[in-house]
Amino acid sequence: SQQGEEDPQALSIQEGENATMNCSYKTSINNLQWYRQNSGRGLVHLILIRSNEREKHSGRLRVTLDTSKKSSSLLITASRAADTASYFCASGEGNYQLIWGAGTKLIIKP
Amino acid sequence: EAGVAQSPRYKIIEKRQSVAFWCNPISGHATLYWYQQILGQGPKLLIQFQNNGVVDDSQLPKDRFSAERLKGVDSTLKIQPAKLEDSAVYLCASSSSGGETQYFGPGTRLLVL
Repeated sequence: SQQGEEDPQALSIQEGENATMNCSYKTSINNLQWYRQNSGRGLVHLILIRSNEREKHSGRLRVTLDTSKKSSSLLITASRAADTASYFCASGEGNYQLIWGAGTKLIIKP
Repeated sequence: EAGVAQSPRYKIIEKRQSVAFWCNPISGHATLYWYQQILGQGPKLLIQFQNNGVVDDSQLPKDRFSAERLKGVDSTLKIQPAKLEDSAVYLCASSSSGGETQYFGPGTRLLVL
């Protein structure tokens, strides 16, 4: 079942700008993960943040997690054309299963 | 290391026909997942294997879908008979035992006419 919701559904920005995507989930989680999907390379894991963490960085990516609001955000700084893709959040629960959102479609305009 | 392999990449069939998809996970990965992804949606878990045992198949339409992982390595997902609503991308993913990150194959795009 899909229980994550992502906002916005689509986002179009100029190259070099920052992109922010938000995700909400419904139940208690062990971790929250973000994945990227483009037509050429399938789903690729970007970053994982555990339920006891509030913020995590990886290169140009910054993820925050607010367990009291059951929400997370992904910030991509200094966007590039290669960042054009769909971004999915997935909440990690028991049995190492992931519950996925519907994704945010990001378009970077040159 | 080699990634998750899937075949075929594309398949077009007519409704009521059968189709099978194959997945070879990353070497040593004990957990294997099959997902269905309909256009514009996130992946939906169909079945999860731990070695050659089923952990969860609660969302697998068992009247028409079947999956096996006989030797705990590669896996096959079958649809018989296919319906129009089965048109989707079928994704295979694997993770190491106790691993939280899933590694995905390129997927099989199925079109049922």
